[in-house]
Amino acid sequence: AQKITQTQPGMFVQEKEAVTLDCTYDTSDQSYGLFWYKQPSSGEMIFLIYQGSYDEQNATEGRYSLNFQKARKSANLVISASQLGDSAMYFCAMREGYGSGNTGKLIFGQGTTLQVKP
Amino acid sequence: DAGVIQSPRHEVTEMGQEVTLRCKPISGHDYLFWYRQTMMRGLELLIYFNNNVPIDDSGMPEDRFSAKMPNASFSTLKIQPSEPRDSAVYFCASSLVGNRGANVLTFGAGSRLTVL
Repeated sequence: AQKITQTQPGMFVQEKEAVTLDCTYDTSDQSYGLFWYKQPSSGEMIFLIYQGSYDEQNATEGRYSLNFQKARKSANLVISASQLGDSAMYFCAMREGYGSGNTGKLIFGQGTTLQVKP
Repeated sequence: DAGVIQSPRHEVTEMGQEVTLRCKPISGHDYLFWYRQTMMRGLELLIYFNNNVPIDDSGMPEDRFSAKMPNASFSTLKIQPSEPRDSAVYFCASSLVGNRGANVLTFGAGSRLTVL
């Protein structure tokens, strides 16, 4: 069965520094997608970045990058140059399937709370 | 694009009452998901639809919960009768399989339900 594990309940980072949020996953499927979402204190869920299991390059979106290590089944989120507005809960998620064959069903980890210090 | 629209944003009700949560997905999206978020259980998938057809409802807690999608632009999640343990934030999300097959979910703002 699918499982997403985020082992860091809470993290602190100094403003302007980089931070890595850990995510490991477990699946028997060869085709899957990995996602990161941000949930600020206002409660909305904001999509940050996506990595497909067949994508050879690590995904990047602005200050966000996904460190994808397939053999280790890890998909860590790296935020560069942290800003105060990055303080939020971050969720790693996985979906089995890829392309038109994907199930659409997204399973979330428990989340990591990030606090950026000025 | 107005995004995924959920109503009501907040609902406070008494135990035993019927609760109906509503969702309007993004136009053109063919998947719709209902999630529930609590401190204890995190984000749980309750049910999802593809082209208005329920695909997987294995996350629906019990028969008190039901969901419908009568057309591509509207879905409801109903709890009858409600219980205090149903208190949570209920999210609706929609998606469309893109060129990369990412099927990125766009979430609504959520409906915060409190059952007294």
